[in-house]
Amino acid sequence: DAGITQSPRHKVTETGTPVTLRCHQTENHRYMYWYRQDPGHGLRLIHYSYGVKDTDKGEVSDGYSVSRSKTEDFLLTLESATSSQTSVYFCAIQEGTYSNQPQHFGDGTRLSIL
Amino acid sequence: GQNIDQPTEMTATEGAIVQINCTYQTSGFNGLFWYQQHAGEAPTFLSYNVLDGLEEKGRFSSFLSRSKGYSYLLLKELQMKDSASYLCAGTNAGKSTFGDGTTLTVKP
Repeated sequence: DAGITQSPRHKVTETGTPVTLRCHQTENHRYMYWYRQDPGHGLRLIHYSYGVKDTDKGEVSDGYSVSRSKTEDFLLTLESATSSQTSVYFCAIQEGTYSNQPQHFGDGTRLSIL
Repeated sequence: GQNIDQPTEMTATEGAIVQINCTYQTSGFNGLFWYQQHAGEAPTFLSYNVLDGLEEKGRFSSFLSRSKGYSYLLLKELQMKDSASYLCAGTNAGKSTFGDGTTLTVKP
């Protein structure tokens, strides 16, 4: 158990509203990631973090922002949600600091934008 | 780009062996991961290759050829619970790029 908790697990909201998803880890891993998963597209990286206040963009970062003020928490914010952001969002941590370490995923957040 | 390609769907019979292929552009990745994802659940780590050759873990094996940009996941003695999506992911500098996944259906 990698000790990753995502909240909320499910959310339905309206277009134009702000949404924040939280990822909490209990094991002080340095690297954290946010992905979205849509049918037929696998996992796509939104943003990632390699330490407190150190974040970078992934391949699908438009419309999303992140913050990491504490090692254990990585927040994903949709400033003004759109229907195209309806998806399942997964947070992940990477063991250690080398690329040959696997990622472990939270249980996901199912987000619906109406 | 760093596209990763894998078949969309495969079907196999319980007790059989199945090979799921993954191809990628040879530059940019320094390792290949395989993950399993059951419907409605999070992906879980299966196997990792950083050097050419075969890595065996019980019923699951993974192979990598870096010069050919090719990997495969081999599942032996298939069980019904192996019905899932299998994700190939290339990794570099702490970031992973995922293929779209192969949905494997195991039939009795």
